[in-house]
Amino acid sequence: QVQLKETGPGLVQPTQTLSITCTVSGFSLTSYYMQWVRQTPGKGLEWMGFIRSGGSTEYNSEFKSRLSISRDTSKNQVFLKMNSLKTEDTGVYYCARDLILAYWGQGTLVTVSS
Amino acid sequence: DIQMTQSPASLSASLEEIVTITCQASQDIGNWLAWYQQKPGKSPQLLIHSATSLADGIPSRFSGSRSGTQYSLKISRLQVEDTGIYYCLQRYSNPWTFGGGTKLELK
Repeated sequence: QVQLKETGPGLVQPTQTLSITCTVSGFSLTSYYMQWVRQTPGKGLEWMGFIRSGGSTEYNSEFKSRLSISRDTSKNQVFLKMNSLKTEDTGVYYCARDLILAYWGQGTLVTVSS
Repeated sequence: DIQMTQSPASLSASLEEIVTITCQASQDIGNWLAWYQQKPGKSPQLLIHSATSLADGIPSRFSGSRSGTQYSLKISRLQVEDTGIYYCLQRYSNPWTFGGGTKLELK
């Protein structure tokens, strides 16, 4: 069955770079869009961006200058990297599948604090 | 950016009651709207996509409708397991934007 699981660092210091991996099973990354969504206390649910089945990306302009989404299809993994972290980036980060976000991972909590 | 104004922010209803939650889009988004339910400590779950299409495995008491730029989620007979927070999402244009959420509780 379709499964998605995010793994992240938990705690990140301000100004540092966040790296999260979404490992999927039950489908091929070359057949579906993969999305990143976060949920923060300050702004609620925010769409961050996606990587298309063909590998191109699209980002929310709010994050565009510091966000990168990539993948390794051989490992069934999608990656989120975001630099210059601030305390307001604290929240739960989710990966989700396809254009209607029909499947979601459990989320990974990221705390930005020194 | 397209703003999605969701109402009410919270709602208390009785078992078997009909519940309606709305999202008002700040501009035309066609049918590019979805509804999600989120329970505490869990990830959101897709209920409705394309404004009116029921997602796989979702009970038929959930339905979606559209009138111009106003979108509604209706629960025809509220059940205990329907409590949670409901969100709308527009994917008509970048950036995709969520509504602020509606917290649904049992009275």
